[in-house]
Amino acid sequence: NAGVTQTPKFQVLKTGQSMTLQCAQDMNHNSMYWYRQDPGMGLRLIYYSASEGTTDKGEVPNGYNVSRLNKREFSLRLESAAPSQTSVYFCASILAYEQYFGPGTRLTVT
Amino acid sequence: EDQVTQSPEALRLQEGESSSLNCSYTVSGLRGLFWYRQDPGKGPEFLFTLYSAGEEKEKERLKATLTKKESFLHITAPKPEDSATYLCAVQGLNQGAQKLVFGQGTRLTINP
Repeated sequence: NAGVTQTPKFQVLKTGQSMTLQCAQDMNHNSMYWYRQDPGMGLRLIYYSASEGTTDKGEVPNGYNVSRLNKREFSLRLESAAPSQTSVYFCASILAYEQYFGPGTRLTVT
Repeated sequence: EDQVTQSPEALRLQEGESSSLNCSYTVSGLRGLFWYRQDPGKGPEFLFTLYSAGEEKEKERLKATLTKKESFLHITAPKPEDSATYLCAVQGLNQGAQKLVFGQGTRLTINP
């Protein structure tokens, strides 16, 4: 039982490049989330998926897209990366109000 | 708009020196208040959920309490391994899909 897994762990992009962050959970949870964490800003919700086939915007969705591929997988895509998207990205899933987080992806955009 | 403010931003204690971390919140009806621990380079790890004022929960050296406006995380006789950032989050009744609003965290350092 791996819980929530994320790939890659680290990534460096140039401005304008695109990439997809992958997230998978093996706990059969319905709801999944993407957050970004920046110094002094706390965790901010980017997008979430309440169930397979549905996605909704969170607090800071601009510049991102998501796909809930199936119940296990929820990916986050940056179509044209900007330096302001340099951050640590966390995926999470939830069971009965307890959110379980992945290990994070540290993204740097130069 | 739901808001969470944690204080202090950073706290340095000696091993065995008990203290408390504060989480003040404003929410239009509280569905739940959550405490997480985050170690450097890792994702947050769930600690507690509190649902109503007066509720308390304990885990080893940690005890979380809740009032109508704030929550405290009490740390009794801490050890160096308790060093971490502690995050507080709330879910309001107007927040669907179990969305949480997080505070900025308190970075706790326990010196041996």
